[in-house]
Amino acid sequence: GQNIDQPTEMTATEGAIVQINCTYQTSGFNGLFWYQQHAGEAPTFLSYNVLDGLEEKGRFSSFLSRSKGYSYLLLKELQMKDSASYLCAAMDSNYQLIWGAGTKLIIKP
Amino acid sequence: DTAVSQTPKYLVTQMGNDKSIKCEQNLGHDTMYWYKQDSKKFLKIMFSYNNKELIINETVPNRFSPKSPDKAHLNLHINSLELGDSAVYFCASSQDIREGLHDTQYFGPGTRLTVL
Repeated sequence: GQNIDQPTEMTATEGAIVQINCTYQTSGFNGLFWYQQHAGEAPTFLSYNVLDGLEEKGRFSSFLSRSKGYSYLLLKELQMKDSASYLCAAMDSNYQLIWGAGTKLIIKP
Repeated sequence: DTAVSQTPKYLVTQMGNDKSIKCEQNLGHDTMYWYKQDSKKFLKIMFSYNNKELIINETVPNRFSPKSPDKAHLNLHINSLELGDSAVYFCASSQDIREGLHDTQYFGPGTRLTVL
């Protein structure tokens, strides 16, 4: 079956760095998405990886290893506004998104 | 100039009632989706339409019926509402040109449905 695993909750300190891991099993693979969802709001697109390696976008970076079925989202210089849920989603061979349950990130001062 | 819009934002109703949620996108996308996000925050796909045609219909009670009058609109009608239907319902859209990044889904603000 198709499955996405990510930690339920993580806590980090303002100004620090945090890495949110995601492992996936899909029928075929057409890319890995990360979305951010603040409480009470809609998910918003953060990043997309389809090739192995690191994609950097400001304070946020996303990494993919296709052979390991693994991705991570790296958040640097954490700010209080980064407190949110981070959703990992893998696109299968039919271009359908398989969603993880999300990782709730709590930032402490 | 909102990309994906939904109405209403909040919906409180009694068990047994019938209600509709509307969704519109002005991105020119071909595919639209309905998701249900329950209290555990898991985002579950319900339906997907491509150019007004149903392409995904997950295991959803037939009390839920999507309707797509044109490719910019996908409405969700729910009959005989039950307590377990309480959740946030998100509409989304994507280009669906089978090119990964270009299939990024963009979400509406959500409709919080509470069934009493």
